[in-house]
Amino acid sequence: EAQVTQNPRYLITVTGKKLTVTCSQNMNHEYMSWYRQDPGLGLRQIYYSMNVEVTDKGDVPEGYKVSRKEKRNFPLILESPSPNQTSLYFCATKRGTVGSYNEQFFGPGTRLTVL
Amino acid sequence: GENVEQHPSTLSVQEGDSAVIKCTYSDSASNYFPWYKQELGKRPQLIIDIRSNVGEKKDQRIAVTLNKTAKHFSLHITETQPEDSAVYFCAASIRGQDTGTASKLTFGTGTRLQVTL
Repeated sequence: EAQVTQNPRYLITVTGKKLTVTCSQNMNHEYMSWYRQDPGLGLRQIYYSMNVEVTDKGDVPEGYKVSRKEKRNFPLILESPSPNQTSLYFCATKRGTVGSYNEQFFGPGTRLTVL
Repeated sequence: GENVEQHPSTLSVQEGDSAVIKCTYSDSASNYFPWYKQELGKRPQLIIDIRSNVGEKKDQRIAVTLNKTAKHFSLHITETQPEDSAVYFCAASIRGQDTGTASKLTFGTGTRLQVTL
């Protein structure tokens, strides 16, 4: 079954404690992306990756890091989380890259609370 | 960068009526406009999309129109049903010379649609 998975699904942590949210896909998609969703602000792109070892900033990259060492995984790293990073996070993938109009498939979401 | 505005933020219609959600975008280079539906507690899912070389696209009760001159596009849902209740997001994709911008997707802030019986 084609799917995008995220772990953990829920996380409560404290300010400054490093954390990683994993994203994995089994669809052999080249493109992967991270979004955060906040009430009234919609979905905002944090980082995206066109392929292995190729990543770029989205609209709200501050406070986040990513890596793409292998095609199927795209972890989101918060080195020193702060309360303003409390949000619902979605990973997404799509088949193509440059100039492609392919549908983005979203993971189930990770609800993060930073105290 | 691209800026997408979406209206209204909430919309309540009676079952069987039509619903219209409107979006405007700022970058005339945008050429791909998808619409996503997010049910409560679920992930966003694509329901329809349109490219800039097309003015209208229809899929059963859902249609999207695009006015490139005015830089706005709309989602139309006819004969609404309770299962249409969800948050709907429009989005626009910038197509730039730089390969890094070709896959950037900017979303609107969402419209919460409630279909009442």
